[in-house]
Amino acid sequence: DIVMTQSPDSLAVSLGERATINCKSSQSVLYSSNNKNYLAWYQQKPGQPPKLLIYWASTRESGVPDRFSGSGSGTDFTLTISSLQAEDVAVYYCQQYYSTPHFGPGTKVDIK
Amino acid sequence: EVQLVESGGGLVKPGGSLRLSCAASGFTFSSYSMNWVRQAPGKGLEWVSSISSSSSYIYYADSVKGRFTISRDNAKNSLYLQMNSLRAEDTAVYYCARDKSPEYCSSTSCPLDYWGQGTLVTVSS
Repeated sequence: DIVMTQSPDSLAVSLGERATINCKSSQSVLYSSNNKNYLAWYQQKPGQPPKLLIYWASTRESGVPDRFSGSGSGTDFTLTISSLQAEDVAVYYCQQYYSTPHFGPGTKVDIK
Repeated sequence: EVQLVESGGGLVKPGGSLRLSCAASGFTFSSYSMNWVRQAPGKGLEWVSSISSSSSYIYYADSVKGRFTISRDNAKNSLYLQMNSLRAEDTAVYYCARDKSPEYCSSTSCPLDYWGQGTLVTVSS
């Protein structure tokens, strides 16, 4: 199984400032045949189901604001919120879909 | 509009059984693989099981293998999870989630692009 870890567990950022979340996989999730990373990011607000933000490590899902961006390759990935808005308060999860799915433990983002 | 509506959750004693259902609408259900994902109270997400569009491929997390059975009825646009030998650690909100289209997927799994609101399963004596 490919296990996912995330850091930090939580962070507090001022409105308009940058938030950065890290995700690491225990094995590479890069498919050499197509050079794609099978890594997704989700946002879960309190009392709601998760929402898909990014897939293939850096492709935004339709309708997702461009302040959300994903980067990284192989085993190390980053989700960046370029200018934090109040509505971005949530828990963020990474997920690998290279093999049977596995989610990271989540990172809680709050307003400072 | 894609909709996924779970039902069947409730309170059950350890060792008991429960069957969850997920009613799908707004898309061609028979063309998509589907998943169950759970979330224990105050905890993170745990993938439970997935089933391909024609039920040819089925996968389970080790934590539920041998106790849970996923199935689907494409004629009824419905997904199911039969849960037997339930344990306290199975207590969670269970979400039904759709795989993104196959072109976005690996040979095994996909990003999950639509989720239901979830149904709560509580295992307690």
